[in-house]
Parts: sequence; C-alpha cells; structure tokens
Amino acid sequence: EAEVAQSPRYKITEKSQAVAFWCDPISGHATLYWYRQILGQGPELLVQFQDESVVDDSQLPKDRFSAERLKGVDSTLKIQPAELGDSAMYLCASSDLAANSYEQYFGPGTRLTVT
Amino acid sequence: RKEVEQDPGPFNVPEGATVAFNCTYSNSASQSFFWYRQDCRKEPKLLMSVYSSGNEDGRFTAQLNRASQYISLLIRDSKLSDSATYLCVVTLSGSARQLTFGSGTQLTVLP
Repeated sequence: EAEVAQSPRYKITEKSQAVAFWCDPISGHATLYWYRQILGQGPELLVQFQDESVVDDSQLPKDRFSAERLKGVDSTLKIQPAELGDSAMYLCASSDLAANSYEQYFGPGTRLTVT
Repeated sequence: RKEVEQDPGPFNVPEGATVAFNCTYSNSASQSFFWYRQDCRKEPKLLMSVYSSGNEDGRFTAQLNRASQYISLLIRDSKLSDSATYLCVVTLSGSARQLTFGSGTQLTVLP
C-alpha cells in the first residue's frame, strides 16, 4: 500500500537554530498538506499545496516558517529560527482531489523538540 | 469557541463495553464529517465517514444531527485494540477539502 513518507522522524534542536522537514506524498496525489499537532490537541493546518502552488497558508507563521513544493511532488517545511513553542509533531498528508475524495493520508510525522 | 469540540476523556472501559463519544461543531456551513483514529505517537487514520442517515461499520456506528450540529461515534463490544484517540473532523463547503480537527477523545479499553 502506498504511503506518505516523512523525514526525519525525530528532531531535537536548540532554539534559534534552523530546522527542515521533508515529505514525499503518495504518487499521483496533487494535494499536499502540512499540519502541526501539539500534544493533547488535534492537528492544525499550516499550509496546503495544489501541485506546486500554495492554496492556503493563512495559518503559517510566515515570520519564521516557510514551505515549498517546487516540482509539485515532494515538499519541505522549514522553521528559522526555532522557538520553544514550536515543539510538536509535524504531519504531512496528501489527497487525490480528482478522485472526489476527502480522505487525507498522513505520513508518520516528524516529532520536533526545541530545547 | 473552538470550531470542533470533543470531550477529551479519558474514557477507561472494560473489554466488551459499549462506549459513545460526542462532538459538536460551530459552523453550520460544515459539509462533511469524519471520525479519525490516532494511536499513541502515530499518525491519524480515517476510521469512517459520517452521513446524515447514519452509518455502521462492524462494531462502529456514526451518526450526524445537522440541526443540533452534533456528531457521535458508538463502539460496541470494545476490544483492547480499540484503545486510541478518536478525532472528530469536519470540512466546510468550498474549503478546498480542508479538514478541521477536534482535540480528540482518548479511549483505553481495559482487560
């Protein structure tokens, strides 16, 4: 079964450092999402891509976060500089909107700890 | 007020018990509804969609009340493997298929 790949699975960084996460969606899925999930809460959408274009980044803290999907396939989410409050699970998901389906398939996530 | 509200639990129930989770949503324009399951330190996975007519999948039954903006999930004959966090999810009409998650309800099924 096809899966969404993410790396690294775990990242520990000091505050003020830069950190980057990578996501490879299920092949053929044009829509890609990045979520942040703080412990004890549900995932919150940070950014949505349709192919290489940003559909919605209204919840992305753009002073420190950036996301790109240059070729419309894999994607990178960057934080610079990291702050203590950024400690969370960062989840990537993809979906096939052409299939008229709302189902999003999530990757295993990157657990970030900022010290 | 959160867009999707759930009782966080935890719910601790014995094997074989029936347990029900409730969820309310604030936006009357919400269009589609789902329950996702998330195991400890894992990613969320779709459990089932929720339809106005109600739907059942084995031991799981989901119901939607649009007038009350209320969604429920019933689990019958609980198994140890049902232990997880259950996330209530809604989408808005025309929202580019964006999912809005509740904070989740934690279930532990005890032997």
